[in-house]
Amino acid sequence: TQLLEQSPQFLSIQEGENLTVYCNSSSVFSSLQWYRQEPGEGPVLLVTVVTGGEVKKLKRLTFQFGDARKDSSLHITAAQPGDTGLYLCAGVPYGNNRLAFGKGNQVVVIP
Amino acid sequence: DAGVIQSPRHEVTEMGQEVTLRCKPISGHNSLFWYRQTMMRGLELLIYFNNNVPIDDSGMPEDRFSAKMPNASFSTLKIQPSEPRDSAVYFCASSLARAGREAGELFFGEGSRLTVL
Repeated sequence: TQLLEQSPQFLSIQEGENLTVYCNSSSVFSSLQWYRQEPGEGPVLLVTVVTGGEVKKLKRLTFQFGDARKDSSLHITAAQPGDTGLYLCAGVPYGNNRLAFGKGNQVVVIP
Repeated sequence: DAGVIQSPRHEVTEMGQEVTLRCKPISGHNSLFWYRQTMMRGLELLIYFNNNVPIDDSGMPEDRFSAKMPNASFSTLKIQPSEPRDSAVYFCASSLARAGREAGELFFGEGSRLTVL
């Protein structure tokens, strides 16, 4: 079973539209990270959220950590083709020091 | 500044052959991770080292897999003998481990795509 479940697995939208993807778990995390991976490359860190309820913004990307520290969401406003990629959430659950990754949200933004 | 360097980028081999993947972490980083990525399972942690010492190898699939870190600037992941189900992209990542509850940033290499026929 996957510790972090990401949904939807695949999302295709038109340029200029908004989208939200989710990362959920039944476990509590000390922190959660979001990475973006482009074809043929390794994942690159976008943000780390630490405090329950925290909201972080990175240009048109808004990240939120759930109050109970079990889930996170990523919202993209006015998506651009450059936002295309695999978005991976990753976290270290309490009582464990292994960073676990979800399978990712594959986002395709069509020009 | 150079990032994490992995070699080879691509490897095609036949079942039963030995495969060695190499990684040079970012200078000054004290943690090194080996991950395997497939469509079915996503990114799986195989093993990680802290200060060149293996800390957790519970993700290594079986005895055919072994990893070493002889010094702070080099690590290898070896598969012997290789099998078709080992086909995947293998990533090496390094980080500067920190105390506290915030996970440190992982810096990934570009990956080694392995195909076992």
